[in-house]
Amino acid sequence: SQTIHQWPATLVQPVGSPLSLECTVEGTSNPNLYWYRQAAGRGLQLLFYSVGIGQISSEVPQNLSASRPQDRQFILSSKKLLLSDSGFYLCAWSKGQGYSYEQYFGPGTRLTVT
Amino acid sequence: AQKVTQAQTEISVVEKEDVTLDCVYETRDTTYYLFWYKQPPSGELVFLIRRNSFDEQNEISGRYSWNFQKSTSSFNFTITASQVVDSAVYFCALSEQGTNAGKSTFGDGTTLTVKP
Repeated sequence: SQTIHQWPATLVQPVGSPLSLECTVEGTSNPNLYWYRQAAGRGLQLLFYSVGIGQISSEVPQNLSASRPQDRQFILSSKKLLLSDSGFYLCAWSKGQGYSYEQYFGPGTRLTVT
Repeated sequence: AQKVTQAQTEISVVEKEDVTLDCVYETRDTTYYLFWYKQPPSGELVFLIRRNSFDEQNEISGRYSWNFQKSTSSFNFTITASQVVDSAVYFCALSEQGTNAGKSTFGDGTTLTVKP
């Protein structure tokens, strides 16, 4: 069976510090991978998605970046965090090569920028 | 452009009541998929159902049922005899055939509170 891992679960970082959130998927190959952000009490905002190693598409311009160094690894980064980067970050995967597949989400990372 | 509207921001019911969550979508594609996800207080979204645009049959899974009507571009979700454990945020989502990477457009979610 497939599983998705995200870490850390919670993170408190000062403004201007770097960020690295990691997501890994097990039990599948060539997945589509996604990073979402959810502000408190709000909907999901798609940040990045990837259809393969090294292939990253950005949905919203911001001070965040994403990388996919391995097939089942997806990393969200920032060189300098802003207060507005606070939120709940969710990684998700879906079967590749199609639009019909549901997404499976990780447990999320709650980021507080102070 | 695709769009999903969940007009009900918050719904509060008493346990054992039936409740319907509305979802209205917009798309120019004739081939698309619709989804419902549940986000309990723990935060992790859980996939509930997928429905393609060619299958308008309603679906029932235990206390959950879904009503898909292309004529009104709606994909509504009904919980029968609600329970406290149903309290969560529910998201409706749409994925079009022409969308790269299977991206989905999510509605803003409906927060359901079931009171004992």
